[in-house]
Amino acid sequence: EADIYQTPRYLVIGTGKKITLECSQTMGHDKMYWYQQDPGMELHLIHYSYGVNSTEKGDLSSESTVSRIRTEHFPLTLESARPSHTSQYLCASSEFSGRDTDTQYFGPGTRLTVL
Amino acid sequence: QKEVEQDPGPLSVPEGAIVSLNCTYSNSAFQYFMWYRQYSRKGPELLMYTYSSGNKEDGRFTAQVDKSSKYISLFIRDSQPSDSATYLCAMSAGYNAGNMLTFGGGTRLMVKP
Repeated sequence: EADIYQTPRYLVIGTGKKITLECSQTMGHDKMYWYQQDPGMELHLIHYSYGVNSTEKGDLSSESTVSRIRTEHFPLTLESARPSHTSQYLCASSEFSGRDTDTQYFGPGTRLTVL
Repeated sequence: QKEVEQDPGPLSVPEGAIVSLNCTYSNSAFQYFMWYRQYSRKGPELLMYTYSSGNKEDGRFTAQVDKSSKYISLFIRDSQPSDSATYLCAMSAGYNAGNMLTFGGGTRLMVKP
């Protein structure tokens, strides 16, 4: 059973506001990920981390930033939200599954609407 | 062209039907194939995992991989209303290629009682 949490679940905010989306996992996983998912569209990787103090940008360019100061915590920040940032943001973490690839576990997501 | 193609649906079937969900892909380096189920307003959850070509069965679910055709399938037998969800395929080339997952766009399935 995966234990990965995201807060808030829903956020409606005005343009120009700074926001932080929280993601925490209690499984001790080293790897964590942020994906962006628009309705009916595939997941796009925007950030990932291989461990504490490690952060990398994903395939999809994003104006957001992330930090990884603790293993269990991987917050995502938007300094100045815009309507184009409206989307669902999914956090995931992974463990080595022993098969030369990882199994990713997802949080419930944060649905962000920027007015 | 997307690396992974998946018919978005929606696919509507009566309860008890056999459902076939499919993905095609273009990257021959993919070796690990997964199916995720995503209920409305939830995150995806791993349903099935297969390595290379072949079949894998888990209860009512069967995953098939045909690497020669770059085609994967998920079959659901005796479908139930609780199977109504979006099904995402995902693929990886393994650690040698960074081990990142590439997702299809998902197929929305509706099972009617």
